[in-house]
Amino acid sequence: GAVVSQHPSRVICKSGTSVKIECRSLDFQATTMFWYRQFPKKSLMLMATSNEGSKATYEQGVEKDKFLINHASLTLSTLTVTSAHPEDSSFYICSAVTSGRAFSEQFFGPGTRLTVL
Amino acid sequence: AQKITQTQPGMFVQEKEAVTLDCTYDTSDPSYGLFWYKQPSSGEMIFLIYQGSYDQQNATEGRYSLNFQKARKSANLVISASQLGDSAMYFCAMREGYNQGAQKLVFGQGTRLTINP
Repeated sequence: GAVVSQHPSRVICKSGTSVKIECRSLDFQATTMFWYRQFPKKSLMLMATSNEGSKATYEQGVEKDKFLINHASLTLSTLTVTSAHPEDSSFYICSAVTSGRAFSEQFFGPGTRLTVL
Repeated sequence: AQKITQTQPGMFVQEKEAVTLDCTYDTSDPSYGLFWYKQPSSGEMIFLIYQGSYDQQNATEGRYSLNFQKARKSANLVISASQLGDSAMYFCAMREGYNQGAQKLVFGQGTRLTINP
């Protein structure tokens, strides 16, 4: 099956710093990637949809300037949490969809646990 | 309005028994897809099974089957012969539409399944 990786798997940072999370599709090209956020014991909430070569589409309530998304290639999307604060601590998961297939499966990365001190 | 509802926060089942996890959904789009994912404590999202709104038969994948009742808008997951390794969080999700752009998933609140030996 298709593999999606995320890096780093865990990150601890100080309040006010920026953190970049990478999402890579390892064995397929992903025209669309999604970024989700999950609080402890809660469901996944979609933050944004990232399309290769274009600006990301953010869900209502998600701050674009806070969560910068770049999808520069068909295999890489990055999420940068700018000026992170403790309330940004969460589990961030990306997923990728292959092109040309409607109703295709989303392949999820293993997630990144962010802790902001 | 909640699009995906999972009414069972937690389920406890004896090993080797069958278990049904409930999921109801709400949509006015005639074209949609329903998914079940398993999330163990490691955090990764594992795809289990998919049901399309136009599929005539209930989906099955090994020990997993989806009891799709379209008129009731329910898509319950049935796990037969449960195993200790089935203990995890289970999420029902829906995708609306049938085109390349309709890839967003909406997740339910999740059900924590615990298999007792």
